[in-house]
Amino acid sequence: DAGVTQSPTHLIKTRGQHVTLRCSPISGHKSVSWYQQVLGQGPQFIFQYYEKEERGRGNFPDRFSARQFPNYSSELNVNALLLGDSALYLCASAGDSGLSTDTQYFGPGTRLTVL
Amino acid sequence: GESVGLHLPTLSVQEGDNSIINCAYSNSASDYFIWYKQESGKGPQFIIDIRSNMDKRQGQRVTVLLNKTVKHLSLQIAATQPGDSAVYFCAENKGFQKLVFGTGTRLLVSP
Repeated sequence: DAGVTQSPTHLIKTRGQHVTLRCSPISGHKSVSWYQQVLGQGPQFIFQYYEKEERGRGNFPDRFSARQFPNYSSELNVNALLLGDSALYLCASAGDSGLSTDTQYFGPGTRLTVL
Repeated sequence: GESVGLHLPTLSVQEGDNSIINCAYSNSASDYFIWYKQESGKGPQFIIDIRSNMDKRQGQRVTVLLNKTVKHLSLQIAATQPGDSAVYFCAENKGFQKLVFGTGTRLLVSP
């Protein structure tokens, strides 16, 4: 079975632009979470979606938004990009029980560079 | 507050040795912890988890110990191999699958 997939793998944008990152969860998983990982640090929680509903939001500005589609795939959108948004963006999917203790499995990430 | 920290940023061991990676947490109400391994250019890979009603849990070559009294957990890797070289994160599940990660410990295994 395929794991969590993310696209694109790498992306270069300039300040002020907008970006959309995509994630496909493991087949059968209904929960998708997004994390930002700045170089040299641990991932920081951005959003969690379950059954197309937002269930959690981290301490990120409103420039960050996300949504989950009926097939449980997800998009992360970032508007008005800043240099500090340069990071590895990780998507994680978890099982269908909706429990907090479902194991989260991470994708390979999208490396975003903002110039 | 929400914080999961690590004692050492880098751990160097010889192949075949046992490795111990430590992690401290601040929230005594926390009840679920996970260890992830992240290799260069890849996403974090689940290793093992432990709930607060347990003190110890074992997997294949790995053991996680949880000491709730001092709010500390550790990951022990037996017979460390070069393929174990990576950054290891402990993470605390804060509910709704929100994970709070520490900054990580880099494990370097030399032959």
